[in-house]
Amino acid sequence: SAVISQKPSRDICQRGTSLTIQCQVDSQVTMMFWYRQQPGQSLTLIATANQGSEATYESGFVIDKFPISRPNLTFSTLTVSNMSPEDSSIYLCSVEEVGGGNQPQHFGDGTRLSIL
Amino acid sequence: GQNIDQPTEMTATEGAIVQINCTYQTSGFNGLFWYQQHAGEAPTFLSYNVLDGLEEKGRFSSFLSRSKGYSYLLLKELQMKDSASYLCAVRDGDYKLSFGAGTTVTVRA
Repeated sequence: SAVISQKPSRDICQRGTSLTIQCQVDSQVTMMFWYRQQPGQSLTLIATANQGSEATYESGFVIDKFPISRPNLTFSTLTVSNMSPEDSSIYLCSVEEVGGGNQPQHFGDGTRLSIL
Repeated sequence: GQNIDQPTEMTATEGAIVQINCTYQTSGFNGLFWYQQHAGEAPTFLSYNVLDGLEEKGRFSSFLSRSKGYSYLLLKELQMKDSASYLCAVRDGDYKLSFGAGTTVTVRA
């Protein structure tokens, strides 16, 4: 499966600031996704990162708060803007490889974000 | 929205068998996945079912009944390292994954 590098692995930020998380894959993939996992909870899809076009956001998530870029088939970024303590969470990048509908999503190691 | 239910916690003894059930109601269906997540780590893929029946992979097996909206993950010969959260995830008609809340399995010696 694809090797996914996500950074930073963790950060502590001041409220009101923004942080950009990077996701790099070692092979071209069809789909890239960004999830949030709040403490003690399961994964919630934030958006699908589309190559060369605007990301597709899920209900409850907006581009102004979580701008996403995907300039090519192997790289994407997620920015968490104007952070507040409620944004403290793990943010995970996932990819789905080329090969048809039976391919699972594989996850990066996540970014553990704490906002003070 | 999607609705995926699984038990919150299960406890079992080393060497035993544990079955984690998952029921789902989604808009369309394009496969069901099981992931394992150790504390502080990312989820790792365990199994995939898209047709009814049992898929076996070593000590882990997963079963699917599409008509019942039901799946289970069977963990055999439990080891201490199997203590983790197990996530049921369904790919819907739009090919998006929705995750259950996860089942925390604790294996005791």
